[in-house]
Amino acid sequence: AQTVTQSQPEMSVQEAETVTLSCTYDTSESDYYLFWYKQPPSRQMILVIRQEAYKQQNATENRFSVNFQKAAKSFSLKISDSQLGDAAMYFCAYRSARTGNQFYFGTGTSLTVIP
Amino acid sequence: GAVVSQHPSWVICKSGTSVKIECRSLDFQATTMFWYRQFPKQSLMLMATSNEGSKATYEQGVEKDKFLINHASLTLSTLTVTSAHPEDSSFYICSARDQRTIQETQYFGPGTRLLVL
Repeated sequence: AQTVTQSQPEMSVQEAETVTLSCTYDTSESDYYLFWYKQPPSRQMILVIRQEAYKQQNATENRFSVNFQKAAKSFSLKISDSQLGDAAMYFCAYRSARTGNQFYFGTGTSLTVIP
Repeated sequence: GAVVSQHPSWVICKSGTSVKIECRSLDFQATTMFWYRQFPKQSLMLMATSNEGSKATYEQGVEKDKFLINHASLTLSTLTVTSAHPEDSSFYICSARDQRTIQETQYFGPGTRLLVL
């Protein structure tokens, strides 16, 4: 089975600063998707950003961007101009491109934003 | 975007009773839905894959007789926790696969908090 590792259980960032959350994964597949999900206190899973493994270009969504290193199996999330609303639990997730497959989640990183 | 609902959003029950949780895809058909369990401050762990019209596929260590899954229609999957005990208290989240998109985007429900007394 695929494994997803987030080595930072907790991170903090000053408001308006930049923070990077780390994620590594292990797979023998060549075609897959990687995701970052945000889970605020409401516990609703919110998609932050998605990366297709076949794309070399790093995905970007406004203040959120990723550094996808396929050979190294690394998928970090950079949050720029951090806002108080960014405080949440962040999960890195892997999903095979084969049809019908489930997510494999990392253990999560709790992000605190300091005013 | 597509919406997935769960009902109830939270439930408290006595030990020994059964609890049914519904997961609905509101504006798309989902032949496949997934049920996850999340303990406090932990990650989501897949419990089972629910397939419309066929038996669910359970992950290793998940008791199929304890957690009954029924995917009777293309928009509804139910998870029944039978003879619930305090250790079953958890947050249960479903996701539904939208086959209309090439990427087969999956959408998460808002979750159901279960507390067994």
